Amino acid sequence: AQKVTQAQTEISVVEKEDVTLDCVYETRDTTYYLFWYKQPPSGELVFLIRRNSFDEQNEISGRYSWNFQKSTSSFNFTITASQVVDSAVYFCALSSFGNEKLTFGTGTRLTIIP
Amino acid sequence: DTGVSQNPRHKITKRGQNVTFRCDPISEHNRLYWYRQTLGQGPEFLTYFQNEAQLEKSRLLSDRFSAERPKGSFSTLEIQRTEQGDSAMYLCASSLDLPGTPLYEQYFGPGTRLTVT
Repeated sequence: AQKVTQAQTEISVVEKEDVTLDCVYETRDTTYYLFWYKQPPSGELVFLIRRNSFDEQNEISGRYSWNFQKSTSSFNFTITASQVVDSAVYFCALSSFGNEKLTFGTGTRLTIIP
Repeated sequence: DTGVSQNPRHKITKRGQNVTFRCDPISEHNRLYWYRQTLGQGPEFLTYFQNEAQLEKSRLLSDRFSAERPKGSFSTLEIQRTEQGDSAMYLCASSLDLPGTPLYEQYFGPGTRLTVT
């Protein structure tokens, strides 16, 4: 069975601070995909990134960066110089190769204080 | 913009009534998924379609739930004899699956919020 754990239920930081959201996953599959989605107050899930299990390179996109470590089964997400618009619930998700249904974590509610 | 659309956005119904939700995926996407999200939780997978074929159903999908995707375009999710425990946000997502290519990400619609009174 697959499982995604986001231990941080809520995080609050002051604007311009950096913040890291943790994600730990469990799977027996050797090939899998990891995702991050953002759910702003409007409710619609917004895709942020997809990572293949065989590609452990870290990725940076603007103020966002992702650290994938297979050895610790973690896929952490860092926002640099946070902004109020980053306030949302962030979900980490996992799917298997050949079975693309997503298994989501319980989410981390991020609040950026102006 | 031709993203995933869902109707209605909100539905309030009395216990025991039947409800039906509609999802229109991104036009070229051949895969369509349904998820359910309750307050404070992440979305949970319900079922998915490859074109018009329903390929997998979660154990969460009791016999009161049925989903269809006629002609491989839009999809409907029907709940019969609704119960208060069915109150949730029902999310639809779509993706493009091409043979021999890596998995493409799922794009989500705005959801239908169901309240059963």
